[in-house]
Amino acid sequence: AQSVTQPDIHITVSEGASLELRCNYSYGATPYLFWYVQSPGQGLQLLLKYFSGDTLVQGIKGFEAEFKRSQSSFNLRKPSVHWSDAAEYFCAVGQNTGGFKTIFGAGTRLFVKA
Amino acid sequence: DGGITQSPKYLFRKEGQNVTLSCEQNLNHDAMYWYRQDPGQGLRLIYYSQIVNDFQKGDIAEGYSVSREKKESFPLTVTSAQKNPTAFYLCASSIGSGKPSGNTIYFGEGSWLTVV
Repeated sequence: AQSVTQPDIHITVSEGASLELRCNYSYGATPYLFWYVQSPGQGLQLLLKYFSGDTLVQGIKGFEAEFKRSQSSFNLRKPSVHWSDAAEYFCAVGQNTGGFKTIFGAGTRLFVKA
Repeated sequence: DGGITQSPKYLFRKEGQNVTLSCEQNLNHDAMYWYRQDPGQGLRLIYYSQIVNDFQKGDIAEGYSVSREKKESFPLTVTSAQKNPTAFYLCASSIGSGKPSGNTIYFGEGSWLTVV
């Protein structure tokens, strides 16, 4: 069965510092991988997705993620964090059998300090 | 603008009452979903529908019911059988085709349900 783990419940970074949020998955074939962001009391917004091809994917708001098959990871990165990036981030893994097979990690809460 | 609209944003339920959360999408997506979100637990799938007039139970369907009479609408009823309904509920949709992009899920803004 597929699974996804976000090892960090919360992370605090200084504004302007770089960010890396970790995501590890378990899945037998090549997974479909997603990162979403959620502001308090809001829905989830898609940041980026990976289906195949180039393992470094670019997303919105200056985020990128790298798929590393050997490490079963899909970590999210941003070179310089802004205070507005404070939110909860969810990694998700799916299959090409329909979105109902997509499962979500427990999330990582990002705090940004001035 | 295209998107997914959930209503109401906040809903209070008395014990023993059924309540219905509305979800409408104008993205022309075939598939729709309902998730429940509790703090620290991520998202759990309640029900999903891949086509009109058909829907399937997800991981935590007990105490919930849905209908899919129109492509754009997927209402969720939280029944009195759901013993712990206080949560944040998210409706979502996807294209639903066989292409990889069809598996990308898009979300509404969510509805808070509180039992009083």
